[in-house]
Amino acid sequence: EAGVAQSPRYKIIEKRQSVAFWCNPISGHATLYWYQQILGQGPKLLIQFQNNGVVDDSQLPKDRFSAERLKGVDSTLKIQPAKLEDSAVYLCASSLVGPGRDIQYFGAGTRLSVL
Amino acid sequence: SQQGEEDPQALSIQEGENATMNCSYKTSINNLQWYRQNSGRGLVHLILIRSNEREKHSGRLRVTLDTSKKSSSLLITASRAADTASYFCATDASDDMRFGAGTRLTVKP
Repeated sequence: EAGVAQSPRYKIIEKRQSVAFWCNPISGHATLYWYQQILGQGPKLLIQFQNNGVVDDSQLPKDRFSAERLKGVDSTLKIQPAKLEDSAVYLCASSLVGPGRDIQYFGAGTRLSVL
Repeated sequence: SQQGEEDPQALSIQEGENATMNCSYKTSINNLQWYRQNSGRGLVHLILIRSNEREKHSGRLRVTLDTSKKSSSLLITASRAADTASYFCATDASDDMRFGAGTRLTVKP
């Protein structure tokens, strides 16, 4: 079975620029997650989708971050404008059902460097 | 905010030795999961233990859960160099999963 696909793998931008990340979850997985992982820390949940609806975006900095999941499959995460502190790895994960009750499958992540 | 906290932050052992990592959490949970992350990669699920279970095994992994102490431990027996990675516990509370900061395990050949 194909895993969670993310692109790009690496991205370098200057502060105040915009950037977008793409995620294709495992086929049939209803729940999709975006995490931010700063170096040396654990993943921090940014947003969780159940099909194409948002379940939890309480930790998403909505003044600059946005995410959408079209047709309940692929998802994009956008940052506009980027700040230096946004430098991190952005991980996408998917699960068959929902968090805690089910295993999450992670993509390899996108490493963002904001200069 | 993070729910689980792993201890120690870093652990260095020789190949063949056992490695034990601990996780403490604050609120009641439905279950607890352990994940591994190799450098530059995504997380890989290792094991899930439910709140009504006390111990679970998977190959060289042994996980215990003590809900009265709100803690869990992950034991890796007969460690190998390939076990070098960061290990995270993740807890769920009201359908909201949180990861700790992880334990960085180094296994020297």
